[in-house]
Amino acid sequence: EPEVTQTPSHQVTQMGQEVILRCVPISNHLYFYWYRQILGQKVEFLVSFYNNEISEKSEIFDDQFSVERPDGSNFTLKIRSTKLEDSAMYFCASSDDRVQETQYFGPGTRLLVL
Amino acid sequence: AQSVTQLDSQVPVFEEAPVELRCNYSSSVSVYLFWYVQYPNQGLQLLLKYLSGSTLVKGINGFEAEFNKSQTSFHLRKPSVHISDTAEYFCALIKAAGNKLTFGGGTRVLVKP
Repeated sequence: EPEVTQTPSHQVTQMGQEVILRCVPISNHLYFYWYRQILGQKVEFLVSFYNNEISEKSEIFDDQFSVERPDGSNFTLKIRSTKLEDSAMYFCASSDDRVQETQYFGPGTRLLVL
Repeated sequence: AQSVTQLDSQVPVFEEAPVELRCNYSSSVSVYLFWYVQYPNQGLQLLLKYLSGSTLVKGINGFEAEFNKSQTSFHLRKPSVHISDTAEYFCALIKAAGNKLTFGGGTRVLVKP
C-alpha cells in the first residue's frame, strides 16, 4: 500500500539554525499539507499546497516558514531560523481530492530546537 | 471557526471490554468528520470517516462511529478491544470546501490484560 514517508525521523538543531524537513507524498496525490504537534498540544494545521503554490496557511506559518516541491516527488518544509518554540512533531500529509478524500499522513519528524 | 473537543484525555479499558471515545464538534457550516489513530512511534492512520449518508460509519479494525447532527457528536466505539488497540485516537473535521483538518486533543486508550 502506498504511503507517505518523511525524513529525518528525528532532528536536533541549535536555535537560529535553518532546518529542512522532507516528505515524499503518495505518488498520484495532488494536495500536500504540513501539520505540527507541540508536545501535549493538539495537532495544528500549518499549510496546504496545490499546483505549486500555497492554497491556505495558518497564522503559525509566518515568514520563517516556507514550503517547496523541488521535484516531482519531494515536498519540503523549511524553517529559516529556528526558535525554541518550533520544537514539535511535524507531520506531512497528502490527498488526491481537495475535500472529500482522506489526508494520508506520514510518520512525522520530531524536531528539537536547543 | 470550527473546533473539536474530545471529552476524555485518557481511557483505560480491559481487554475484550467495549470502549467508547467521545467527540463533539462545533461548526456553523457543513463538515466532514474523521477518526485517526496513532500507534506508538507511528504516524496518523485513518480509522474511518463520515462524509454523508448513513450516520453509522464502519472503519478498520472493528471500529465504528455514529454521526449525530443534533448533538454535534461523532463518538467512536469498539465492542471488544485488544491489547493492540492501545494508541492515541484523534477526532478531526474538515469544513465542506475546505482543505485543512481541525483536530481534537486526542484520547489515549490503554488496554489492560
